[in-house]
Amino acid sequence: DAKTTQPPSMDCAEGRAANLPCNHSTISGNEYVYWYRQIHSQGPQYIIHGLKNNETNEMASLIITEDRKSSTLILPHATLRDTAVYYCIVLEYNNNDMRFGAGTRLTVKP
Amino acid sequence: DVKVTQSSRYLVKRTGEKVFLECVQDMDHENMFWYRQDPGLGLRLIYFSYDVKMKEKGDIPEGYSVSREKKERFSLILESASTNQTSMYLCASSFLDRAGQPQHFGDGTRLSIL
Repeated sequence: DAKTTQPPSMDCAEGRAANLPCNHSTISGNEYVYWYRQIHSQGPQYIIHGLKNNETNEMASLIITEDRKSSTLILPHATLRDTAVYYCIVLEYNNNDMRFGAGTRLTVKP
Repeated sequence: DVKVTQSSRYLVKRTGEKVFLECVQDMDHENMFWYRQDPGLGLRLIYFSYDVKMKEKGDIPEGYSVSREKKERFSLILESASTNQTSMYLCASSFLDRAGQPQHFGDGTRLSIL
C-alpha cells in the first residue's frame, strides 16, 4: 500500500539544481514528509523533513504544496556525489515503521 | 552529527550458526530499530526497542531475537542462521516523543549465510 509516488529515475547536470518530486495525495494531517537518500552499499542518509511549511538545511530544501498532496526536494547545486536513490516517505511522528518504496534514482552527470 | 555504528560492514556465516549483529548510537536516543533491506522488497522492520530491556516485534521477527541491555546498544541475534537470512541489515535510532524527529541509520551489515 504505497503512500508515495516518485519517478523511477532522473538525470541532472552537475552544478545545476536537482528537483525531485513526490506525490502523497492521501497524506493525513499528522503525517510528516521525510526524505532520505541511499548511495550504493551504504545505509540510508537522512536529508530533511517537514510537516506543512517549506524547510531548508545545509543539504537541501523541501517545498510542500499548500494542500500537502505533493512535495519537491531541491538539491541546489548537484554534484557527482549526489548520485543516489532518493526516498520520499510519509509517516506519523509516533509511527516507528519506516517503509521505503522504490525511490528515484538520481544520476548527476558531468 | 548523529552517529549510528554497526559492528561489521560485511559478514559471512554458515547455516545453523548463531549470529550477533551489534549497533551503537551516540545521541542518547530512546528508540532503536533493526531492519533488513532486500531488492524489490524495500525496508522491513524486524524489531524495535523504545527503552532498555524493552522490545517490540516488527513485521518479520521470526528467526530473530534482540537484546538491549544499555541505552546506546541494540543487538540483533540470528538464533540459527539460514540462507534466507542473507540480506543487508540496517540499524537505526531516533528520539521518543519528539514530534517529527527522524530515524538515523547506520551504514548497514551485508550478511551472507552459506
